[in-house]
Amino acid sequence: DTEVTQTPKHLVMGMTNKKSLKCEQHMGHRAMYWYKQKAKKPPELMFVYSYEKLSINESVPSRFSPECPNSSLLNLHLHALQPEDSALYLCASSQGLGSVFDTQYFGPGTRLTVL
Amino acid sequence: DQQVKQNSPSLSVQEGRISILNCDYTNSMFDYFLWYKKYPAEGPTFLISISSIKDKNEDGRFTVFLNKSAKHLSLHIVPSQPGDSAVYFCAASSLRYGGATNKLIFGTGTLLAVQP
Repeated sequence: DTEVTQTPKHLVMGMTNKKSLKCEQHMGHRAMYWYKQKAKKPPELMFVYSYEKLSINESVPSRFSPECPNSSLLNLHLHALQPEDSALYLCASSQGLGSVFDTQYFGPGTRLTVL
Repeated sequence: DQQVKQNSPSLSVQEGRISILNCDYTNSMFDYFLWYKKYPAEGPTFLISISSIKDKNEDGRFTVFLNKSAKHLSLHIVPSQPGDSAVYFCAASSLRYGGATNKLIFGTGTLLAVQP
């Protein structure tokens, strides 16, 4: 089983709203990732959590706030977003054992629209 | 600086024939290469991978070839089926690049259309 789940599937929010994206995996993976994908572009890495600690932040604006409450869950808290933040937000997980051959498995994504 | 490049934005192939998708990279530090398939509005699905110590890896209809000296990899799909129609991304990673966790660098993708 290589399933990563994400909720909600679609989200529409105003620029003053606060919302959260959720990601869950039950594969025992210890690394979890947030990516952003705009239309006709490749996924771009935002954050990496390794063993529930933030290990990579790709200079993402503070209006995006990640959280890893436990090894199975990853949240992305959104506040005061801009219309250009509209995109497909993808969560991924991997074993994260420090192995070079560490495959990332992706969830279906949350389609976010900021009005 | 685009470290992983897929120079063909699209490819059209007849059902039953071979599809060859190409990918070039510039960073010699990459250790591990992966191919993902993506349908619209869905997450990428892992297809096949290869480490830098190998030159070929096969899984059913999918074969990935790696030419380290040319910094080039390719994905062969034989025989191609209409259900293979999707965007294919190659990706590369290096532990030395990302630290304790792997940072994947994606190519720009190739849209494969398999005609019945």
